[in-house]
Amino acid sequence: AQSVTQPDIHITVSEGASLELRCNYSYGATPYLFWYVQSPGQGLQLLLKYFSGDTLVQGIKGFEAEFKRSQSSFNLRKPSVHWSDAAEYFCAVGAMLTGGGNKLTFGTGTQLKVEL
Amino acid sequence: GAVVSQHPSRVICKSGTSVKIECRSLDFQATTMFWYRQFPKQSLMLMATSNEGSKATYEQGVEKDKFLINHASLTLSTLTVTSAHPEDSSFYICSAPVLVGGTEAFFGQGTRLTVV
Repeated sequence: AQSVTQPDIHITVSEGASLELRCNYSYGATPYLFWYVQSPGQGLQLLLKYFSGDTLVQGIKGFEAEFKRSQSSFNLRKPSVHWSDAAEYFCAVGAMLTGGGNKLTFGTGTQLKVEL
Repeated sequence: GAVVSQHPSRVICKSGTSVKIECRSLDFQATTMFWYRQFPKQSLMLMATSNEGSKATYEQGVEKDKFLINHASLTLSTLTVTSAHPEDSSFYICSAPVLVGGTEAFFGQGTRLTVV
């Protein structure tokens, strides 16, 4: 069975500082990996995804993530955090469905707080 | 891009009543949709997979008679919380995988259910 671990429940960074959110996964085959962001009371917005190819993935809002198979990790990074980045971040691993699409398993999330 | 619309965004109901939540794919067809539940400050837990034209598949521990799922068409899935209790209060989110050339899921905005 697939699983995702986000070791950090809360992270606080200063605006302008760099950010790295950790994500480790367990999956029997080549994983489909995602990072989503959720603002309070809102749905989820996809930041980026990895399916294959280049292990460094660029996403929206200046985020990037690097897939490291040897470490079973897919950490999210941003070189300079903005106050508007404060939100909950979820890492997810997907199991492909017959005919396309993914059934997602989410990590427990990391709450990001940005200090001005 | 593909959009998933969820309605209502917020609902308050009395204990013992039933509440219906709709999930629509607006510009694509979805033979499969997923329903998630999210408790405060926790991750999304998959409740069930909604399948167009057939019965939903429920995750272990989810009461199928309490959470009725109907996937009436290729663009609409509904979740009905029957005989609601205060412990059913939660944030419910649907998602739909984009099948045509897609390998990701799009999420609805979520429904905040409060049972009083």
